[in-house]
Amino acid sequence: LAKTTQPISMDSYEGQEVNITCSHNNIATNDYITWYQQFPSQGPRFIIQGYKTKVTNEVASLFIPADRKSSTLSLPRVSLSDTAVYYCLVGASHTGTASKLTFGTGTRLQVTL
Amino acid sequence: NAGVTQTPKFQVLKTGQSMTLQCAQDMNHEYMSWYRQDPGMGLRLIHYSVGAGITDQGEVPNGYNVSRSTTEDFPLRLLSAAPSQTSVYFCASSYSTRNNQPQHFGDGTRLSIL
Repeated sequence: LAKTTQPISMDSYEGQEVNITCSHNNIATNDYITWYQQFPSQGPRFIIQGYKTKVTNEVASLFIPADRKSSTLSLPRVSLSDTAVYYCLVGASHTGTASKLTFGTGTRLQVTL
Repeated sequence: NAGVTQTPKFQVLKTGQSMTLQCAQDMNHEYMSWYRQDPGMGLRLIHYSVGAGITDQGEVPNGYNVSRSTTEDFPLRLLSAAPSQTSVYFCASSYSTRNNQPQHFGDGTRLSIL
C-alpha cells in the first residue's frame, strides 16, 4: 500500500492561494493520485486526479513532480467555503483496484477573513 | 440524479441490537464500499464489493456483514451492536474497480450505540 503523509492542518486568509502537499514515497507505477474534499456532515467529494506533471480543472490544480513521490494540491484564491478537510489518496499497486484505497487523516484547512 | 443514497441519516441503538444500514446507487457503478469515520480520524474501509455477488473485507470488517445481490444496493449489517461501533458510516461507489475511478460518496449515517 502506498501510504500518504499530509499536514494535519493549515490556515489561510480569504483570497490567498493554498498549497497542500502530500508525500507518497512508495507510489507504484500504475497508481493515480486523487484528492477529495470533505465538509462537515457530508461525505467526501472528488476534487481532482492526476498521474504525472500538472492537471487543472475549474476547482484546483494538481502538481506532480517527475519522481511522483509527492503531489501538491493548489487551491487558487480560497474563500470561506473552502474550509474543509482535504484527503490525498494513492491507489493500491498490488491489486490495481480502488478496494484498498486508504484515506488517512487528511489536512484540515481553515479559511478566515 | 440521486447518486449514492444512504438511509437512515441518524440512528440510535442499544447494545446488542442488530441493524441494517442501506445504501443504493443509481449510476450503474460496479464498485461499492462502506467506510466508517470516527472523530479526528480518516475513513476506514469496512467491506467492499467489486460487483453483484462479490464482496470482500476491508481494514475493519469485524462486527459487520455485507451482501450484494444487485448492482444498485449494498447494505451493511451490524450483527450485535457495540458502543465501539458508534461512528459515521459512509457508502461509496465508483464506475469500476480501477484505481483511477473517482468514488462517489453518500452523506452518511450517524450511528450511536448506547
